[in-house]
Amino acid sequence: DAGVIQSPRHEVTEMGQEVTLRCKPISGHNSLFWYRQTMMRGLELLIYFNNNVPIDDSGMPEDRFSAKMPNASFSTLKIQPSEPRDSAVYFCASSHAGGGEAFFGQGTRLTVV
Amino acid sequence: AQRVTQPEKLLSVFKGAPVELKCNYSYSGSPELFWYVQYSRQRLQLLLRHISRESIKGFTADLNKGETSFHLKKPFAQEEDSAMYYCALGTTGGFKTIFGAGTRLFVKA
Repeated sequence: DAGVIQSPRHEVTEMGQEVTLRCKPISGHNSLFWYRQTMMRGLELLIYFNNNVPIDDSGMPEDRFSAKMPNASFSTLKIQPSEPRDSAVYFCASSHAGGGEAFFGQGTRLTVV
Repeated sequence: AQRVTQPEKLLSVFKGAPVELKCNYSYSGSPELFWYVQYSRQRLQLLLRHISRESIKGFTADLNKGETSFHLKKPFAQEEDSAMYYCALGTTGGFKTIFGAGTRLFVKA
């Protein structure tokens, strides 16, 4: 398995544009997480899914953020409209349900200008 | 409330010196604790977990339920240990992993 795959690796967009980040979890993992990493706030959990169902989205900062998991092998995190303060590295991670190690993707570095 | 606290944002030590990265947690259930490491321009990866009680790259961490701590220690720091370290809490049922804010370790030559 190639591990958790995220795309794109880098995204630069203008304020107000829609941004879509993509994630392919490790096959067989039931849980999927989206995190945001910034210098000021460290690693924040935005939302997580279990068996494709969103369990807790309390970390999603605003209604501008939305996440979907249409099937076990794909998830998206969308920001619409984007703002400069959304600039961060966004990580996707997956794990087996029931706990244990979380496997991270390489992250998407988002810059909103 | 479930929370992980890493009080130090930055820790700078000389090569060969002992290092301790602090982590405290708040959780009413039975916790599962982890340390993750992120080297420059690499993805986060698991360093060690309290269940396995192992030493990885010379690092150890002991879960102290009385003090609700899971500090990461290494007796002699190496330059290649310079990285970002995150303490993480896995909740009962395991659906959620909560991370601390992270500590950047800088080992000076």
